[in-house]
Amino acid sequence: AQSVTQLDSQVPVFEEAPVELRCNYSSSVSVYLFWYVQYPNQGLQLLLKYLSGSTLVKGINGFEAEFNKSQTSFHLRKPSVHISDTAEYFCAVMSGGSNYKLTFGKGTLLTVNP
Amino acid sequence: NAGVTQTPKFQVLKTGQSMTLQCAQDMNHEYMSWYRQDPGMGLRLIHYSVGAGITDQGEVPNGYNVSRSTTEDFPLRLLSAAPSQTSVYFCASSYSSVAEAFFGQGTRLTVV
Repeated sequence: AQSVTQLDSQVPVFEEAPVELRCNYSSSVSVYLFWYVQYPNQGLQLLLKYLSGSTLVKGINGFEAEFNKSQTSFHLRKPSVHISDTAEYFCAVMSGGSNYKLTFGKGTLLTVNP
Repeated sequence: NAGVTQTPKFQVLKTGQSMTLQCAQDMNHEYMSWYRQDPGMGLRLIHYSVGAGITDQGEVPNGYNVSRSTTEDFPLRLLSAAPSQTSVYFCASSYSSVAEAFFGQGTRLTVV
């Protein structure tokens, strides 16, 4: 079975500071990994995904994530955040052969303060 | 571009009532799914479909039914609403299993 753990439920930061949102997964087979963002009262939007190849993945809005197989992690980073980055961020995993079953973490609320 | 359209946006039901949450997509996506989002729980998969006429259960299917008669539509039926089904429901679609999933705006359901 696959699972996702987002280590922080809330992350407060100041504007222009760097941020890292942590995500660990468990799966017995090869995985595909995703980060989604949810702005207030909206649906989810894909930030970035790792399917194969380079372990450093760049996404929209200046975010990037690094796939680390040995540590089973897929942490999301941004070097300088803006007020508009305030949102909830979800890490998700799909394992090979899971037949489209995407498992989400419980989410991390990023709050960017002025 | 409409994308994924969910109706209604808000609904209040009494315990025991039934209703259907509608989901339609205009992107010709084969894959569609329903999730529920509860505070501190993330999104949990209810049912999904890999094409017209094919559906399967997700993580929390009890109390819900789905059907997929067309590529465009994937309605979710609550058979006999219970307060535990109070949640925000999201429909999503994608071109393939590993492609970007497009989400609707959600339906906020309250069962009293």
